[in-house]
Amino acid sequence: DAGVIQSPRHEVTEMGQEVTLRCKPISGHDYLFWYRQTMMRGLELLIYFNNNVPIDDSGMPEDRFSAKMPNASFSTLKIQPSEPRDSAVYFCASSTDVGLAGGRFTGELFFGEGSRLTVL
Amino acid sequence: DAKTTQPTSMDCAEGRAANLPCNHSTISGNEYVYWYRQIHSQGPQYIIHGLKNNETNEMASLIITEDRKSSTLILPHATLRDTAVYYCIVRGYRGSTLGRLYFGRGTQLTVWP
Repeated sequence: DAGVIQSPRHEVTEMGQEVTLRCKPISGHDYLFWYRQTMMRGLELLIYFNNNVPIDDSGMPEDRFSAKMPNASFSTLKIQPSEPRDSAVYFCASSTDVGLAGGRFTGELFFGEGSRLTVL
Repeated sequence: DAKTTQPTSMDCAEGRAANLPCNHSTISGNEYVYWYRQIHSQGPQYIIHGLKNNETNEMASLIITEDRKSSTLILPHATLRDTAVYYCIVRGYRGSTLGRLYFGRGTQLTVWP
């Protein structure tokens, strides 16, 4: 399995531009998470989906941020308009539906390599 | 909404055991303790998880106290490549903690030669 795939790996843009980050979760995973990481705030959960449905978006900073999951194999995180304070590494992660495998609870998250965003 | 607390940083000599503590005093009965680590700017990597029994795998051991309010991740023979940020989180198999996972800032472990 290729793991969680994110694109682009690096993005440099100017303030006010639209930014779209993409994620392909591991096939068969029912949960998808978007995290943002900065030096100041660490790793923050922005939103997560279950079976393509957004469950909790309370971590999304403001209306400039939006996320979609049109199907089980693709999700996007969009920032419009972007601002310098949005500069961060954005991680996507996926997970199986929680359950028992051989009597043992699973549910570990698998992270992508991240998308480093720089807004000038 | 932090559910775990960890020291900001620790260090360890190469070849010695690294013991990373985590406090999760508000853990509920359906929540597991998970440990992840992040090397440089890579995505966090799963290490181990457990409910109430001690667990061991090829990477580490996890010791959970009997009251489940704290745990310790043990890297038995730390190497320089174990230098990373280590995160302790709790995740339940139902309820709000099923999805809303809080990583926080973790513990920066530095292994020195």
